[in-house]
Amino acid sequence: NAGVTQTPKFRVLKTGQSMTLLCAQDMNHEYMYWYRQDPGMGLRLIHYSVGEGTTAKGEVPDGYNVSRLKKQNFLLGLESAAPSQTSVYFCASSFRGRGQPSTDTQYFGPGTRLTVL
Amino acid sequence: AQSVTQPDIHITVSEGASLELRCNYSYGATPYLFWYVQSPGQGLQLLLKYFSGDTLVQGIKGFEAEFKRSQSSFNLRKPSVHWSDAAEYFCAVGAWGGNTPLVFGKGTRLSVIA
Repeated sequence: NAGVTQTPKFRVLKTGQSMTLLCAQDMNHEYMYWYRQDPGMGLRLIHYSVGEGTTAKGEVPDGYNVSRLKKQNFLLGLESAAPSQTSVYFCASSFRGRGQPSTDTQYFGPGTRLTVL
Repeated sequence: AQSVTQPDIHITVSEGASLELRCNYSYGATPYLFWYVQSPGQGLQLLLKYFSGDTLVQGIKGFEAEFKRSQSSFNLRKPSVHWSDAAEYFCAVGAWGGNTPLVFGKGTRLSVIA
């Protein structure tokens, strides 16, 4: 199993350009998540998905869009990149919680380092 | 909604010394709790988790954590730190029921000196 993979690993954009980050998981997880990590800010949830075709906003959704057309893939889009979106982006996935917990252990990808000039 | 606080932004310990990283949570019911570790340039890796049962949880790499309901804490410990333990550590809290994602603390960076 590859686990959670992210494409690309690095990217440099100019302000106003668009791009899509791809997350793929081969663990048949129902839930998938996109986070950004900035120094001193910890992990902040951008968007998440509890199943194919469904998405929800997290803590910092502005400037991002997502799609979950297939269970194993979760795409994060930046329509018009801004320097404030320079960050490291992590994707994660998890099973739906068994019994009472709402979500089980999250498994993380290796991250995508994005720089917007 | 749940929340988690890691009071220490940065901790430095000597190799071979003991370690305790603090985590305090806020949640109205019994939480379930995680500790993750992030080595430089890497993603997050699960160290251990608490769902129910024994309040002292053993994890990988010799780490353990103790859930203390009365103190709303889930502190991470290791009796003897190795240089390879230098990393960032994140505590996370989850809710019961619904589709609520985990909430992560801001992390504690651990430096290990010789």
